[in-house]
Amino acid sequence: DSGVTQTPKHLITATGQRVTLRCSPRSGDLSVYWYQQSLDQGLQFLIHYYNGEERAKGNILERFSAQQFPDLHSELNLSSLELGDSALYFCASSPRGDTKETQYFGPGTRLLVL
Amino acid sequence: AQKITQTQPGMFVQEKEAVTLDCTYDTSDPSYGLFWYKQPSSGEMIFLIYQGSYDQQNATEGRYSLNFQKARKSANLVISASQLGDSAMYFCAMREVSGSARQLTFGSGTQLTVLP
Repeated sequence: DSGVTQTPKHLITATGQRVTLRCSPRSGDLSVYWYQQSLDQGLQFLIHYYNGEERAKGNILERFSAQQFPDLHSELNLSSLELGDSALYFCASSPRGDTKETQYFGPGTRLLVL
Repeated sequence: AQKITQTQPGMFVQEKEAVTLDCTYDTSDPSYGLFWYKQPSSGEMIFLIYQGSYDQQNATEGRYSLNFQKARKSANLVISASQLGDSAMYFCAMREVSGSARQLTFGSGTQLTVLP
């Protein structure tokens, strides 16, 4: 158990819908990263938040948005869903003060868009 | 731009034997970190081992060791005394240190199967 929690574990929805994925980082970790894992794209970085502020954006679609709240949990919002958005979505957190900045991953949310 | 290459889509190893999973990387940043993660069929990503670009010695963590050859830009994972529970997908990843970006760039992974 990495200490990072993600809900829900599984999500099945229809095209055009909107969903929210939730992540709670490990206690004390200020950084939250979101990644998408799909069969055709592999593991792709989406977005990074540090202590409530957006720090970096990767291959995140305009239909996707994220935020990190004062209690440090984060939410990833996916809207106007398409079949190709079906993937495993991970969040990860890294400890403050760790020179390695090792990222510890949550169990992931498996999204299926029908 | 960073790039991680894992050239072995699948590997087989006999139980109790050692296995090496290959990883090469490309970066212009002199300061970077290399990571290996394990993803069992259940899906979670488990951190295994870390190697910093300035580390003088190869990293080791229990049965995992990293064969780091900086000049060749390779960071191969060695698993000794393989166990059935080692069957999983293994990902090599890199993070540049000197820039502001902190995200990981992943390779395509190697599916390891341990045979009884």
